[in-house]
Amino acid sequence: EVQLVESGGGLVQPGGSLRLSCAASGFTFSISDMHWVRQPTGKGLEWVSGIGTVGDTHYADSVRGRFSISRDDAKKSLYLHIGSLRAEDTGVYYCAREHNDLSYFDYWGQGTVVTVSS
Amino acid sequence: NFMLTQPLSVSDSPGKTVTITCTRSSGSIGSTYVQWYQQRPGSSPTTVIYDNNIRPSGVPDRFSGSIDISSNSASLTVSGLKTEDEADYFCQSYDSTSYVFGTGTRVTVL
Repeated sequence: EVQLVESGGGLVQPGGSLRLSCAASGFTFSISDMHWVRQPTGKGLEWVSGIGTVGDTHYADSVRGRFSISRDDAKKSLYLHIGSLRAEDTGVYYCAREHNDLSYFDYWGQGTVVTVSS
Repeated sequence: NFMLTQPLSVSDSPGKTVTITCTRSSGSIGSTYVQWYQQRPGSSPTTVIYDNNIRPSGVPDRFSGSIDISSNSASLTVSGLKTEDEADYFCQSYDSTSYVFGTGTRVTVL
């Protein structure tokens, strides 16, 4: 069974940083492109960042230069370092797997909550 | 980058049919595939349609997807509406370096 379990969220002050983690199991992590998608409370989904199997990275314009995605295939883990945080970065951060052959997110984690507030 | 615009909400009675549209702001809707995700309250999104019109296994055939090149939009149709279909629905597509979600539509079963 495919499982994605996020952790690392919490309350952080504006300008601060956090590292989010996503532990994967039930599939071959090393051959999967992985992504982070976020959702402000009561609002829609926003793609944040993705990383390919060879370490190629992509970012939404809203987070480029502040967030950094990485992966550790040996640990079957995905990470997102989020920095220079602003109030508008508040929300649920989901880890999602991209289907191996198709460009859609076929599995999602339960999410971890990030709150940016003083 | 392009945007995907959806109606804020649609509603109808059990057994009826609702259709949600997703209009692409620039570039052709047919240039990349469109996906649809269902998100029930308090849950993570799940896929109901991928590649414009394909249902993952386990998704009822009451859900169908299509695209219309002339209006540059995609549509998700839910027929035989059930109370369990009450949720938020998001379309999604992509370009060479980013992924775009639609604004989201709340489906209410009256």
